[in-house]
Formats: sequence, structure tokens, C-alpha cells
Amino acid sequence: LAKTTQPISMDSYEGQEVNITCSHNNIATNDYITWYQQFPSQGPRFIIQGYKTKVTNEVASLFIPADRKSSTLSLPRVSLSDTAVYYCLVGDVNNDMRFGAGTRLTVKP
Amino acid sequence: DTEVTQTPKHLVMGMTNKKSLKCEQHMGHRAMYWYKQKAKKPPELMFVYSYEKLSINESVPSRFSPECPNSSLLNLHLHALQPEDSALYLCASSQDLLYTDTQYFGPGTRLTVL
Repeated sequence: LAKTTQPISMDSYEGQEVNITCSHNNIATNDYITWYQQFPSQGPRFIIQGYKTKVTNEVASLFIPADRKSSTLSLPRVSLSDTAVYYCLVGDVNNDMRFGAGTRLTVKP
Repeated sequence: DTEVTQTPKHLVMGMTNKKSLKCEQHMGHRAMYWYKQKAKKPPELMFVYSYEKLSINESVPSRFSPECPNSSLLNLHLHALQPEDSALYLCASSQDLLYTDTQYFGPGTRLTVL
């Protein structure tokens, strides 16, 4: 099981781009990387998933370098409503997906 | 409809009580999950059902008893809980039990054990 490491917290300002990096040094060949967002007193919500290079959807981009030992979630032009905890998960073929500690993002006006 | 519903939203129970948490989804998903989340901590996986059969039990104490009556419903029966079991209990579902499948979470049940 690939262990993930993320910064505990990050601060940003409205309108800025935020990049949250997750380290997963022992990621296996078939593992996928998934990011979830969680607001207080709510369940996590899927943001994006990728295997390699770059994935983009309507809310975020995910950058994965060739060695796949890390990944970066990029949130363009954040707003106050993006204040949340962001979790990086590495899922393996044994269906073992565990949430890491998460990064608490605070967006300030 | 991508909604997972959970009832009740809040539950307060004594250590001798028996109560149940309920989770429902109508997305046709075949995998359903229970997580426990303490304040400022990540969700911890408790149980996973796949096609109504228990697939994963993360060594959860027997005072928590899961049940999957059908493919849309998931229950968590609680008995003789301890104050340290107070937490947010989250239910989730996914299309199948594949590590690439997106999990859809409900809003959770906030449990307080007195």
C-alpha cells in the first residue's frame, strides 16, 4: 500500500492558483491517484483521478510526473468556497484505498 | 441522481442502547462502504460490501454490526458503544469494488455516545 504525504495546511487568497503536492514514493505500477475534497460536516467529494501525465476537468488539474512518486492537484483561481480539506489517495489492485492525513486549505479574501 | 442519503443526521445514545444507522443509494452501485471520521482526522474505512456480501472488515469491534439487506441499502447496527466511538459515520457507494471507481459519499451521521 502506497503511503501518501501531504502538507498539513496551506493558505491562499482569492483568485490565486493553488497547487497541493502529494508524495507517494512507493506507488506501484497499477496504482491510480485520486483526490477528494471535504467541507466541514460533509462527506468527501471526488475531484479528479489520474494515472500519469496530466488530467484536467472542470474544477481542477492533476499533474503526475513520469516517475509517479508524487502528484500535484492544481486549483485555478480559488474562491472562499474552496476552503476545505483535500485528500490524496493512492488506490491499488487489492482495492486498498486509504485516506491520507489531508491538506487543510484556507482561502482568504 | 448521484446522491447517497444517510439517516439520522444526528444521534445521541447511551452506552447500553441499541441503535442503527441507515444509508441508501439509488445509483445502481454494487459496492457500499462505512467509514468513521473523528474530528480533524481523515475518514477511516470500517466495512465494505460488494454485491451485498461483506468484502472487507477492517478489524472493527463487534459492537458495530453491518448489514446489507439489498443492493440499495446499508445499515450499521450499534450496541454497547463507548464514548470514544463518538464520531461522524460516513456511508459511500461506488459502481463496483474497483480501486479506480469513484466513491460517492453521504453527508454522514454525527454520533455522540454518552
